[in-house]
Amino acid sequence: NAGVTQTPKFRILKIGQSMTLQCAQDMNHNYMYWYRQDPGMGLKLIYYSVGAGITDKGEVPNGYNVSRSTTEDFPLRLELAAPSQTSVYFCASWGLRGEKLFFGSGTQLSVL
Amino acid sequence: DAKTTQPTSMDCAEGRAANLPCNHSTISGNEYVYWYRQIHSQGPQYIIHGLKNNETNEMASLIITEDRKSSTLILPHATLRDTAVYYCIVRVRNSSSNTGKLIFGQGTTLQVKP
Repeated sequence: NAGVTQTPKFRILKIGQSMTLQCAQDMNHNYMYWYRQDPGMGLKLIYYSVGAGITDKGEVPNGYNVSRSTTEDFPLRLELAAPSQTSVYFCASWGLRGEKLFFGSGTQLSVL
Repeated sequence: DAKTTQPTSMDCAEGRAANLPCNHSTISGNEYVYWYRQIHSQGPQYIIHGLKNNETNEMASLIITEDRKSSTLILPHATLRDTAVYYCIVRVRNSSSNTGKLIFGQGTTLQVKP
């Protein structure tokens, strides 16, 4: 199993541009999460999903959108990028019977 | 989910045991205590978790007080590679009726020194 795969690893955006951060897991996990981590800070939950077709807001959802059309994929959409969205983004997944949260390697995003 | 309180930073000498405390005084009976760590800017790594009893695995030991209001993560022989941010998290067990969100706090920055 590849685990949780995030793409791209790095990206620079201009203010107002949009992009989609991709996240895929091959462990058939029901639960998936998007976190962001600002420099020197802890992780903040953006959005999460408990299964295909079901998503909900976390602590810091403003400026982001998500969808969950399949169990495997959980993309995060930034519509109008702002400098405040400069951060490292982590995707994670957790199976219903599992005991561990598996994280991807992260996407480092800079908005200039 | 219950909130946790951890010291901001700690130092430990290489080869000695590192004891990282965590307070979770509002923990509920069905909430587990989880420990993760994050080395540099990598994705967080699972270490250990427990409900009531003390737990041990190849990485660490977890000591939970009898009233469950606090816990301690023990790295028995810290190495330089254990330098990381350690997060203590309480979490309701996954089920079809709850979302199982993990809320991370600021964590403890552990510096292992030669």
